[in-house]
Amino acid sequence: AQSVAQPEDQVNVAEGNPLTVKCTYSVSGNPYLFWYVQYPNRGLQFLLKYITGDNLVKGSYGFEAEFNKSQTSFHLKKPSALVSDSALYFCAVRERDGYNKLIFGAGTRLAVHP
Amino acid sequence: DAGVIQSPRHEVTEMGQEVTLRCKPISGHDYLFWYRQTMMRGLELLIYFNNNVPIDDSGMPEDRFSAKMPNASFSTLKIQPSEPRDSAVYFCASSDHFEQLQHFGDGTRLSIL
Repeated sequence: AQSVAQPEDQVNVAEGNPLTVKCTYSVSGNPYLFWYVQYPNRGLQFLLKYITGDNLVKGSYGFEAEFNKSQTSFHLKKPSALVSDSALYFCAVRERDGYNKLIFGAGTRLAVHP
Repeated sequence: DAGVIQSPRHEVTEMGQEVTLRCKPISGHDYLFWYRQTMMRGLELLIYFNNNVPIDDSGMPEDRFSAKMPNASFSTLKIQPSEPRDSAVYFCASSDHFEQLQHFGDGTRLSIL
């Protein structure tokens, strides 16, 4: 079965510094990978996805993610963090059951300090 | 596009009462998912539908939980009877086969006293 792991419960970063939120995956075959963000009292919002093509994927709000097949990783990055980026971030992989089921990681809380 | 619409946004009720959560997916989407989010257990997939047919309900915690999708524009999640441990935020999401990403509603915050 497909799975994703987010090894950090929380990431703290100062405003203006680069940020990385880590995700590793375990899949059979080619992975379909996603990042979502959740702000307080809101549903999950799509940030970006990797299906095929360039290993560096650009998404919303200046975020990007790098697909690394050899390390089975799909880390989320941003060159300069904003306080407003503080939120809960989820990595997900599509299940290979022929449907659009996603397997979500446990989530990483990002705190950006002024 | 109005997005996925869930109602009510908040529900407070007493133990033993029936609870009905509602979801209107994005028009044209053929998948609908119900999730539950708690601090202890994180985000859990309860059940999902494809073309109004339940595909996998293995995440439904107990027989007290049931979900229906009578048509492409409406789904319900019912809990009967409700218990305090059912307190959580319940999310509905929809997607279409081609885009493959899920669009989430803003959830229903359920509190069972």
